[in-house]
Amino acid sequence: GDSVTQMEGPVTLSEEAFLTINCTYTATGYPSLFWYVQYPGEGLQLLLKATKADDKGSNKGFEATYRKETTSFHLEKGSVQVSDSAVYFCALSPGANSKLTFGKGITLSVRP
Amino acid sequence: DGGITQSPKYLFRKEGQNVTLSCEQNLNHDAMYWYRQDPGQGLRLIYYSQIVNDFQKGDIAEGYSVSREKKESFPLTVTSAQKNPTAFYLCASTTDRDGRNTIYFGEGSWLTVV
Repeated sequence: GDSVTQMEGPVTLSEEAFLTINCTYTATGYPSLFWYVQYPGEGLQLLLKATKADDKGSNKGFEATYRKETTSFHLEKGSVQVSDSAVYFCALSPGANSKLTFGKGITLSVRP
Repeated sequence: DGGITQSPKYLFRKEGQNVTLSCEQNLNHDAMYWYRQDPGQGLRLIYYSQIVNDFQKGDIAEGYSVSREKKESFPLTVTSAQKNPTAFYLCASTTDRDGRNTIYFGEGSWLTVV
């Protein structure tokens, strides 16, 4: 079945550091890929998405590129801020109205 | 504004009681989902529904029940059979309107057993 694997956390960085959060997936066909962010005490918000190979999703300085050859969708940001402290989830959707699969999430803490 | 509304935000349940969490969406989405979130375990799928009057069990359906009588509503009942119900519950819905699935979440409901 489909699966999403995220790197183990938590991750602690200083402000303005470079961020990479790894995500790899297993799926048949051509799934859509997503990154979601969850701030403390809140629901999940869509951060970015990519729907086909080589697509790059971007939002709020975060980027992720859909790499079919490595089945990866790593999240990056060049300079993190304290306000980026949250839990980040990688997810995939195989098709229309299909069951969604999430990674376990990773907690990012950014120190001033 | 369109979106997903979950209620209540906070709910306390006594042991042996059933409680129902509401999820309403006005996005005209066909598919809806319930997830449970526990610390360190990410999101686990409880139930999902791809169309009105139809739903399927997810990975941890035991002790839960759902209904999908209307397209916009997908309530979740946490029954007394669920032995460890204290968790954060998230409702979601999806559309293929933009060509590929886009997932939307509600703000979540905190359930605590007292």
